[in-house]
Amino acid sequence: NAGVTQTPKFQVLKTGQSMTLQCAQDMNHEYMSWYRQDPGMGLRLIHYSVGAGITDQGEVPNGYNVSRSTTEDFPLRLLSAAPSQTSVYFCASRSGGYLQPQHFGDGTRLSIL
Amino acid sequence: AQSVSQHNHHVILSEAASLELGCNYSYGGTVNLFWYVQYPGQHLQLLLKYFSGDPLVKGIKGFEAEFIKSKFSFNLRKPSVQWSDTAEYFCAVIFSGGTSYGKLTFGQGTILTVHP
Repeated sequence: NAGVTQTPKFQVLKTGQSMTLQCAQDMNHEYMSWYRQDPGMGLRLIHYSVGAGITDQGEVPNGYNVSRSTTEDFPLRLLSAAPSQTSVYFCASRSGGYLQPQHFGDGTRLSIL
Repeated sequence: AQSVSQHNHHVILSEAASLELGCNYSYGGTVNLFWYVQYPGQHLQLLLKYFSGDPLVKGIKGFEAEFIKSKFSFNLRKPSVQWSDTAEYFCAVIFSGGTSYGKLTFGQGTILTVHP
């Protein structure tokens, strides 16, 4: 099983550019989420989705958009990249209720120059 | 707001030493507790979890954690570490109420370096 697949693994952008980080899961999980990981700050929730067509903001949503048109995919969009968005981004998914363990992707390392 | 704190940012040990990583949270209600591990260049993996019952939880790779409700703590332990335990360890909590209800809230992470 592929689990949670994130693309690309690495990306360098210039300030002001836009891009989409892709996340796909093949486990038919309802819940998907995006985190950013910064040194000394752990993982912080950006956006999450409890099912197709439903998204909500997490702890640090500013500068990011998401959509969930299918159960499998949950892309994260940076509309106008800023150096403060340099980070490692993780997508995660889980099934059922919130007590279920989350499955994480391998991460996308993003640098904004 | 609810929060999770890991006070040790970087722990350095020699092989066979005992390990204890601290995790505290701020919330007086029901919590569900997790420890995740991230090996270099890899994604997060679940080490162990506590929902209810015996407060001493055993996980994979010889790790265990103890939930002490009165101290709002969920410390991770291992009697004898190995070089392969070198990784970053994250404590995470799901709170049963408040603004973080139902969401996995992470601590800052502790980097463990084990020298052969």
